Amino acid sequence: GDSVTQMEGPVTLSEEAFLTINCTYTATGYPSLFWYVQYPGEGLQLLLKATKADDKGSNKGFEATYRKETTSFHLEKGSVQVSDSAVYFCALSDRGTGRRALTFGSGTRLQVQP
Amino acid sequence: EPEVTQTPSHQVTQMGQEVILRCVPISNHLYFYWYRQILGQKVEFLVSFYNNEISEKSEIFDDQFSVERPDGSNFTLKIRSTKLEDSAMYFCASSEAEGTNEKLFFGSGTQLSVL
Repeated sequence: GDSVTQMEGPVTLSEEAFLTINCTYTATGYPSLFWYVQYPGEGLQLLLKATKADDKGSNKGFEATYRKETTSFHLEKGSVQVSDSAVYFCALSDRGTGRRALTFGSGTRLQVQP
Repeated sequence: EPEVTQTPSHQVTQMGQEVILRCVPISNHLYFYWYRQILGQKVEFLVSFYNNEISEKSEIFDDQFSVERPDGSNFTLKIRSTKLEDSAMYFCASSEAEGTNEKLFFGSGTQLSVL
């Protein structure tokens, strides 16, 4: 079945550092890929998405490129801020299986220190 | 921005008791979902609901679980006889339309602790 694997956290960075959170996936069909973010005390929010190979999703300085050859969708940001401290979830939905529900990873907690 | 509201934020119950987790989706949304996350594990899909019936469910969603939209605004998840392994964070979500690329709006979750 489909699955998503994320790097384990917590990831602790200083402000203005470069961020990478790794995400790889397995899927039987044609997945769309997503990053969701959960700030403290809030629900998960869609951060960015990509629906086909080589697409790049971007939002709020974050980027992720859909790499079919490496089955990856790594999240990057050039310069993190304290306000980026949150839990980040990689997810996919797979049109090929006919299942519309999202398949999530376990989440990666990011802590940014001033 | 409109948001999905879940109550309570934390529920403690004894094993074998029934619990009802409540959610108020965004008012013009038509599709509703429950997900859960056991501590340290992945966020798992439980069930989706549309037009007053279940449209999809996972193998986790067995006969102990049920969902209801009792009054046109609330969306509830009932666990009939809780087990220790039901302890998890339960997330409700809603979306305007159906589709694999559709944006889901999530609530902040209910932490269920079964003792």
